[in-house]
Amino acid sequence: EAQVTQNPRYLITVTGKKLTVTCSQNMNHEYMSWYRQDPGLGLRQIYYSMNVEVTDKGDVPEGYKVSRKEKRNFPLILESPSPNQTSLYFCASSPSGLAGAYYEQYFGPGTRLTVT
Amino acid sequence: GDSVTQMEGPVTLSEEAFLTINCTYTATGYPSLFWYVQYPGEGLQLLLKATKADDKGSNKGFEATYRKETTSFHLEKGSVQVSDSAVYFCARGQGGKLIFGQGTELSVKP
Repeated sequence: EAQVTQNPRYLITVTGKKLTVTCSQNMNHEYMSWYRQDPGLGLRQIYYSMNVEVTDKGDVPEGYKVSRKEKRNFPLILESPSPNQTSLYFCASSPSGLAGAYYEQYFGPGTRLTVT
Repeated sequence: GDSVTQMEGPVTLSEEAFLTINCTYTATGYPSLFWYVQYPGEGLQLLLKATKADDKGSNKGFEATYRKETTSFHLEKGSVQVSDSAVYFCARGQGGKLIFGQGTELSVKP
């Protein structure tokens, strides 16, 4: 089944404890992206990747890191999480790296992160 | 900067009512426009899209027309069903960046 998977689905952690949220897609998509969803703010793009080893900042990259060493994986790293990073996070992928916003994006099920 | 603005929700309708959810976008460049839908507890799914001015996207009875002159992409459906209850997001895309509106929650009562 074609899908985007995220792990973990739920995570409660403490301030400053490094964490990684994994994202994997099995559709051979070039483009991948991370978003956070907060009430009243919709989804905001954190980082995106047009292809392997190519990443770019979205609108809210502060406090996050990403890497794209393989086509299928795009982990989101929080080196020192803070309470304002408590949110619902979505990973997405799309077929084209040249026009990631032209084609449909396929979203994962979400990861709910709470930082205390 | 670039932005997308949607009408605020929640919107509550009776079954078979007409639906309009307004969406306007900033006109920088030539973005593609999308409507995504999020059902409770799930990720977003593409509902429809339009890639140039005057294009009409349609799917599952929903329609939206890319209006460059009014920088709008309003979502419409002639007769909503209870199963349409969800949060709807308008988005503009250009290059690798996708900018979403804040979402409009729709609740359809039987």
